[in-house]
Amino acid sequence: GDSVTQTEGLVTLTKGLPVMLNCTYQTTYSPFLFWYVQHLNEAPKLLLKSSTDNKRTEHQGFYATLHKSSSSFHLQKSSVQLSDSALYFCALSTLWTQVVGQLTFGRGTRLQVYA
Amino acid sequence: EAAVTQSPRSKVAVTGGKVTLSCHQTNNHDYMYWYRQDTGHGLRLIHYSYVADSTEKGDIPDGYKASRPSQENFSLILELASLSQTAVYFCASSDQQNERLFFGHGTKLSVL
Repeated sequence: GDSVTQTEGLVTLTKGLPVMLNCTYQTTYSPFLFWYVQHLNEAPKLLLKSSTDNKRTEHQGFYATLHKSSSSFHLQKSSVQLSDSALYFCALSTLWTQVVGQLTFGRGTRLQVYA
Repeated sequence: EAAVTQSPRSKVAVTGGKVTLSCHQTNNHDYMYWYRQDTGHGLRLIHYSYVADSTEKGDIPDGYKASRPSQENFSLILELASLSQTAVYFCASSDQQNERLFFGHGTKLSVL
């Protein structure tokens, strides 16, 4: 079945530094990739999405590029802020699962930014 | 902005008891979902529905039932709560194109 792997459980950084959160996936179908962000005591919200190979997508200073050749959709930011501290989920759907609205989520990566 | 409201926000239940978690959305979305969040496991789909009076099993449906009496309402039912069902439960909705999930704030369930 489909799967999403986020290798880091926790990433800690000083503000102003760049960050990359890893996401790789497995599916036999054409993929749609998403990043959701969950701040403390809040609901998860969509941050980025893409289904286009090798095209960078950006939102709120974060960016990611879907690389089908390596099955990856890493999330990056050039300079993190204290407000970026949150839990980040990578998620996958396919043409098949999207018909019924199903997403497969990774386990999440907690980003903690320090002053 | 889509609105999804869950109730209660937190609940303590006893093992073997019945628990009902409620979800209400006001955005005319066809699709509604129940996810479970555990540390280290991310979000896992329990049940979902794409039309009133019909529900479908997700990836981890055992021990849970769902009910969709109307387009706006979607409930998750634990008939016999167990310790292993202690988790945070999220309801979400999306439109037919499933471009984006709108989540509620979650229900923290503790089974003792």
